[in-house]
Amino acid sequence: GEDVEQSLFLSVREGDSSVINCTYTDSSSTYLYWYKQEPGAGLQLLTYIFSNMDMKQDQRLTVLLNKKDKHLSLRIADTQTGDSAIYFCAERDRKLIFGQGTELSVKP
Amino acid sequence: ETGVTQTPRHLVMGMTNKKSLKCEQHLGHNAMYWYKQSAKKPLELMFVYNFKEQTENNSVPSRFSPECPNSSHLFLHLHTLQPEDSALYLCASSQDEDSYEQYFGPGTRLTVT
Repeated sequence: GEDVEQSLFLSVREGDSSVINCTYTDSSSTYLYWYKQEPGAGLQLLTYIFSNMDMKQDQRLTVLLNKKDKHLSLRIADTQTGDSAIYFCAERDRKLIFGQGTELSVKP
Repeated sequence: ETGVTQTPRHLVMGMTNKKSLKCEQHLGHNAMYWYKQSAKKPLELMFVYNFKEQTENNSVPSRFSPECPNSSHLFLHLHTLQPEDSALYLCASSQDEDSYEQYFGPGTRLTVT
């Protein structure tokens, strides 16, 4: 079946770059997403990439897609304490399939 | 109000109680979703409604009963729940079920005692 895998934790220092990785199994995914969840809140769509793209940049966020390896990454440049949250990778063919989330901790 | 709202934000119920979760979207969308979020697990899609019709039931136990009276409102009726049903229940909406972007509410934190 469809599966999305992420590492559970990432810790970085303020000002460094963060890279959150994700692998997925469904080769027919049309869109791949990154969502952010802050404590006590729902999921906020950060960015998405269409499956025929390799890269998408949006201010401090860079998404890289390696379709051959079914690998998606999210790079956050100049990470701030306000970036501390859980980040979910998701892929969509007919419906959204989420990973288990990566908890990003940013230390001052 | 804007976006997707959910009430209550927190709910504690016993296993013999009956309660309902409410979701409302102010985005003019036609599709609405219920998800279950348990700690350190992927979000699980429970139900999908498109133009008020249920289009997906992801093998959810019958103790969870959804209701979608119109495109703006979605309910999840709960009865005789189990402690393992304790989780964050998230509602989402999108323009329709084929739309690539879903908007999420803040969730209801449910504890079953």
